[in-house]
Amino acid sequence: AQKVTQAQTEISVVEKEDVTLDCVYETRDTTYYLFWYKQPPSGELVFLIRRNSFDEQNEISGRYSWNFQKSTSSFNFTITASQVVDSAVYFCALSEASSNTGKLIFGQGTTLQVKP
Amino acid sequence: DTEVTQTPKHLVMGMTNKKSLKCEQHMGHRAMYWYKQKAKKPPELMFVYSYEKLSINESVPSRFSPECPNSSLLNLHLHALQPEDSALYLCASSQGLAAGPLVEQYFGPGTRLTVT
Repeated sequence: AQKVTQAQTEISVVEKEDVTLDCVYETRDTTYYLFWYKQPPSGELVFLIRRNSFDEQNEISGRYSWNFQKSTSSFNFTITASQVVDSAVYFCALSEASSNTGKLIFGQGTTLQVKP
Repeated sequence: DTEVTQTPKHLVMGMTNKKSLKCEQHMGHRAMYWYKQKAKKPPELMFVYSYEKLSINESVPSRFSPECPNSSLLNLHLHALQPEDSALYLCASSQGLAAGPLVEQYFGPGTRLTVT
C-alpha cells in the first residue's frame, strides 16, 4: 500500500542552523512522483519541488536541497542556514502514475520552528 | 502567474445554513481539487474535477456538493453541515490529468470554515 512517513513531528532550530526534514515513502508503482510543500501559518500550501521516480539526481535551489534515494525510499529535504521565515509545516507527498488521478498521499507533516 | 484564489477567507455558518465556497484559477489548468484540512493534519482529498467533469469523489457526505461551472471556477456548496466539518478547505489546480506526466498542484489560501 502507498504511504508517506515523516517521522519528525516537530523540529526546533536556531537561525542559521542547517536542518534536514526526513521523508520515507512506500509504493509498489515503478513510476511515481514525490513532492514537498510548505504551509506557513497563513494556510496556503506552497509547492517546493517535484521529483519523478526515474530521476535520482539531487537538487539544490538556493538554501534548499533535496536528496532522493530510491534504495532507501527516501526523499529528504535540507534547509541550509535556516531563517525565521522558514518556520512552517512541511509536507512530503507521493503521487502514483497508476492511479492517474493526481491524488496526493501526504505525510503527517513536520512543523519547523526557527528561532531568532 | 501561479495563483489560485479562494473566497471567502473565513466563514461561520449554522448547521441549517446553505453557503458556498468559491475557487478560481487562470493558469489554464484542467484539473481542480477540493481538500479538507483539520488542525495539525495533512490535507485530505475530497473531490477531483478533470476537464470540468467530476473524476473523483472520496466518499464525501452529500452535504458537500461540488460544482465546476467552467474550466476556471470550482465551487463547493455546503448544506446542513455538522460542527465536525469545521476545517480549512483548500482548493488546488494542476495541468490536465490525462496527458503527460503527473504534475504539481497549486493551492489556494483556503477558506477557514467554522460550523456552529
